[in-house]
Amino acid sequence: AQSVTQLGSHVSVSEGALVPLRCNYSSSVPPYLFWYVQYPNQGLQLLLKYTTGATLVKGINGFEAEFKKSETSFHLTKPSAHMSDAAEYFCAVRSVFSGGYNKLIFGAGTRLAVHP
Amino acid sequence: GAGVSQSPRYKVTKRGQDVALRCDPISGHVSLYWYRQALGQGPEFLTYFNYEAQQDKSGLPNDRFSAERPEGSISTLTIQRTEQRDSAMYRCASSLYRDEQFFGPGTRLTVL
Repeated sequence: AQSVTQLGSHVSVSEGALVPLRCNYSSSVPPYLFWYVQYPNQGLQLLLKYTTGATLVKGINGFEAEFKKSETSFHLTKPSAHMSDAAEYFCAVRSVFSGGYNKLIFGAGTRLAVHP
Repeated sequence: GAGVSQSPRYKVTKRGQDVALRCDPISGHVSLYWYRQALGQGPEFLTYFNYEAQQDKSGLPNDRFSAERPEGSISTLTIQRTEQRDSAMYRCASSLYRDEQFFGPGTRLTVL
């Protein structure tokens, strides 16, 4: 069965510092991988996704993630944190048995705090 | 509409009551998903519609849960005889076929 593990339920960084959010997945086939962000009282918003091709994926708001098959990882980073990045971040993998639609399996989420 | 909307945003009910949660997807989106998110967890898939057809209901936890999308647009998730363990955030998402899912703000259900 597929699964997603996000290491660290809470991450705290200083403004301007690197944002490191970790995601490991398990999948028996090449995965489609996603990162979503949730701001307070809002719905989940797609940050970026990996399907095929280039393993370094760039998303919105300066975020990027690298797919590493050998490590079964899809870690999310941002070179310089901004106060507005404070939110909850979810990694997800598309279910293998989705029948052609995007049935997603999510990790438990990581809450990012950014302090001055 | 501008985005996916859900109503009500908050619902408090007593154990044993039925509740109906509504999702209004983005106009033209043929795919609609329901997810449930417990506190401290990520969203878990409940069910999927392609137009009005419910093509996957494998995530519905038991027969107290049902969903419909009769005209291929608005969807309703109904929970009968609610229990305290049903308390969670219920999220709806829509997409254009297999594209990006756009999520609504969710309905927070509390069962007393």
